[in-house]
Amino acid sequence: DAGVIQSPRHEVTEMGQEVTLRCKPISGHNSLFWYRQTMMRGLELLIYFNNNVPIDDSGMPEDRFSAKMPNASFSTLKIQPSEPRDSAVYFCASSLLAGITDTQYFGPGTRLTVL
Amino acid sequence: AQKITQTQPGMFVQEKEAVTLDCTYDTSDQSYGLFWYKQPSSGEMIFLIYQGSYDEQNATEGRYSLNFQKARKSANLVISASQLGDSAMYFCAMRETGGYQKVTFGTGTKLQVIP
Repeated sequence: DAGVIQSPRHEVTEMGQEVTLRCKPISGHNSLFWYRQTMMRGLELLIYFNNNVPIDDSGMPEDRFSAKMPNASFSTLKIQPSEPRDSAVYFCASSLLAGITDTQYFGPGTRLTVL
Repeated sequence: AQKITQTQPGMFVQEKEAVTLDCTYDTSDQSYGLFWYKQPSSGEMIFLIYQGSYDEQNATEGRYSLNFQKARKSANLVISASQLGDSAMYFCAMRETGGYQKVTFGTGTKLQVIP
């Protein structure tokens, strides 16, 4: 079975450009999570969706970040305009439900570098 | 207070020996889930093991076991018969019933297995 799929795996862009990260969750999973990982701040939850609806976006750093989930099999995280401090690894994860027993399975991540 | 505390930033273990990675947590919920993930140098996050707060027995998955001490709020990961491929970052995480049931991650422990 395919796991969580993320694209691109690597993205290098210049400050001010728009960046779009994509995620396809595991088929049948109802919850999707976007995380950011940096050396300084560790793994941070940015936003999570349940049944395509954003439930908690309190981790989204600022208005430059936006996330959508138009259907159960696709989500995007957009940064516009990008800044060098956005450089990080961005992970998408999905779980069957949002209960405490539901394991999150992570995608391979997108390594974003903003110059 | 930190919800998840991993006090060992780095550890060494001899190949074929057992190693314990510490994790303590803080929650007022009665029902919660505890998870361990492995992140090798390639970057992906790999789910290892899960323990529910009401589970009476410690979880085991192959060479991984979770030493769950509820009263002490600790959920240590034990890796038996370490292998070179176990060298990685290890993250402890908790999912609570409150707060939209989102997962909180610790800062991780870097394990290096010595031949």
